[in-house]
Amino acid sequence: SAVISQKPSRDICQRGTSLTIQCQVDSQVTMMFWYRQQPGQSLTLIATANQGSEATYESGFVIDKFPISRPNLTFSTLTVSNMSPEDSSIYLCSVVFWEGSQDTQYFGPGTRLTVL
Amino acid sequence: QQQVKQSPQSLIVQKGGISIINCAYENTAFDYFPWYQQFPGKGPALLIAIRPDVSEKKEGRFTISFNKSAKQFSLHIMDSQPGDSATYFCAASMLGYSGGGADGLTFGKGTHLIIQP
Repeated sequence: SAVISQKPSRDICQRGTSLTIQCQVDSQVTMMFWYRQQPGQSLTLIATANQGSEATYESGFVIDKFPISRPNLTFSTLTVSNMSPEDSSIYLCSVVFWEGSQDTQYFGPGTRLTVL
Repeated sequence: QQQVKQSPQSLIVQKGGISIINCAYENTAFDYFPWYQQFPGKGPALLIAIRPDVSEKKEGRFTISFNKSAKQFSLHIMDSQPGDSATYFCAASMLGYSGGGADGLTFGKGTHLIIQP
């Protein structure tokens, strides 16, 4: 498995501002994903972030709102831009490891964002 | 993303009993079916996962049963304990068998499990 850390663990922000969330992995990984978990809800995939290529966004998520960087195989950032209260969620990064005979996907601890 | 339907939404089980959570999927291209356990304020933790080439996988008290023809899979928690009280999510994706060919996960809506002492 892998050790995945996220910064910040939580933040309270004012509407209209932006927050950049960092995801650090202790091993090199090819594939990294960003998810959102709204209060009391399930997880929804925001985008796939592969090193060396542009992030691929899911329906309903756009690059201008959620720009992603993936500068190397152990690090990624997600920015939540021009925030509104509807962006209050837990944001999680996830990585895929090849273990045994299959890929396995692990999650970071999440960043709890509250927008006032 | 194709939908994954999870039931029940909430479940109360007596200590020592069997907890059963069910999921159904639509996309026959899915080849990775994990279950995640999430405690309040924490990220989801991988509990157990299965591939469609096996019908059952057991790890300790946790068992996944998989029915490829019915496109259904379930989580069984044997001898349920109060510490198992958490939210459980099933998920599915196309990961492939060769490493590095993963896709993002499609999650069920979650099951809030309470184990009564």
